[in-house]
Amino acid sequence: EILMTQSPGTLSVSPGERATLSCRASQSLSSNVAWYQQKPGQAPRLLIYGTSTRATGIPARFSGGGSGTEFTLTISNLQSEDFAVYFCQQYNDWPPWTFGQGTKVEIK
Amino acid sequence: VQLLESGGGVVQPGGSLTLSCAASGFSFSSYAMSWVRQTPGKGLEWVSSIGGGGVSTYYADSVKGRFTISRDKSKNTLYLQMNSLRVEDTGIYYCARMNFFYYFDYWGQGILVTVSS
Repeated sequence: EILMTQSPGTLSVSPGERATLSCRASQSLSSNVAWYQQKPGQAPRLLIYGTSTRATGIPARFSGGGSGTEFTLTISNLQSEDFAVYFCQQYNDWPPWTFGQGTKVEIK
Repeated sequence: VQLLESGGGVVQPGGSLTLSCAASGFSFSSYAMSWVRQTPGKGLEWVSSIGGGGVSTYYADSVKGRFTISRDKSKNTLYLQMNSLRVEDTGIYYCARMNFFYYFDYWGQGILVTVSS
């Protein structure tokens, strides 16, 4: 089973600033990493797949990168609607499909 | 794409429950489908998946032998039969569509399952 570890657990950022979230995999994943956003009381929403491809309707301020075992999600010019919890997920080696434990982006 | 879960509720340990997920807005039989749960203790946890044809099924070790995933193409509905429920099965259960590359591209709103005496 591939373990996904996200850091930090909580990120405090001011509106308009940039947030960089990290996700480390226990083994190499090629580019098969997705990122999801979850707001309170809502289901997760797909943001990024294939490490760096934005899902339909996702603004360009969201960008993904990385390779091998290290992946990042960067949110530029943070908007009020971006304060949420973000999860990474691997789909390179399954089953099981595995998620990181999440990073909460909060208002500083 | 719309996914609407139903069937959640409160059940005693050892009991059973069946979740349903009504799908619309896409060709249901063309996509694999999954159940993913969210619990305070383990965050997001993949539970089970089923191929578009309903033949291939996969289960997390934590539910293998207790849960059964199935689908009915005539009703565009996904199911999760949950038996021998444990306290640790408590959580919000999401139905999710799997893209052809096997990530989760659409999610239902979730349904709460509480296992408690």
